[in-house]
Amino acid sequence: QKEVEQNSGPLSVPEGAIASLNCTYSDRVSQSFFWYRQYSGKSPELIMSIYSNGDKEDGRFTAQLNKASQYVSLLIRDSQPSDSATYLCAVSTSYGKLTFGQGTILTVHP
Amino acid sequence: DGGITQSPKYLFRKEGQNVTLSCEQNLNHDAMYWYRQDPGQGLRLIYYSQIVNDFQKGDIAEGYSVSREKKESFPLTVTSAQKNPTAFYLCASSSTSGLQETQYFGPGTRLLVL
Repeated sequence: QKEVEQNSGPLSVPEGAIASLNCTYSDRVSQSFFWYRQYSGKSPELIMSIYSNGDKEDGRFTAQLNKASQYVSLLIRDSQPSDSATYLCAVSTSYGKLTFGQGTILTVHP
Repeated sequence: DGGITQSPKYLFRKEGQNVTLSCEQNLNHDAMYWYRQDPGQGLRLIYYSQIVNDFQKGDIAEGYSVSREKKESFPLTVTSAQKNPTAFYLCASSSTSGLQETQYFGPGTRLLVL
């Protein structure tokens, strides 16, 4: 079983819809969770971080964390074509170490 | 401008050759990291350093070496022992190595084998 697993893509949604990206992790001691966005050929950039159970909202983005279910998700409301990218889920389990999922490719079509 | 710089953007390696990838940051961050990304995959940790003159192996350290002689610099050498070096190499840094610290990434170096 992979340590961090993301829903298989690619995911395609129409402009204006909600995109839902999911991530599960295997290590119960995981403390911190991050979502990065990566455009093709570019480096990852941080979208959201979340540390406590529940929801965290930042503009059109909402991160949801459920530690009991070992599940973290990212919702993108009012999706735009500029949101088309690969989204990486990353989990921090020990100092200085992030474990990444394989990424989910999101395409938002007009 | 504060940030992380990596050079070169593209690097070509001949068989049996060692090559060094540069990573510099002016964010005054203590911790620095090197990741490798293969097509269609997530990032895998090669080495990380929590403080100057100290570094630890990540998940895929074989065939790589690093040094951390200065706080702002963390070069990565891809040695001839790394048999499949073609990948996108990403350097990152964070203020500390705490669990809630965000890692910020440089623009990356794409390494290709001739």
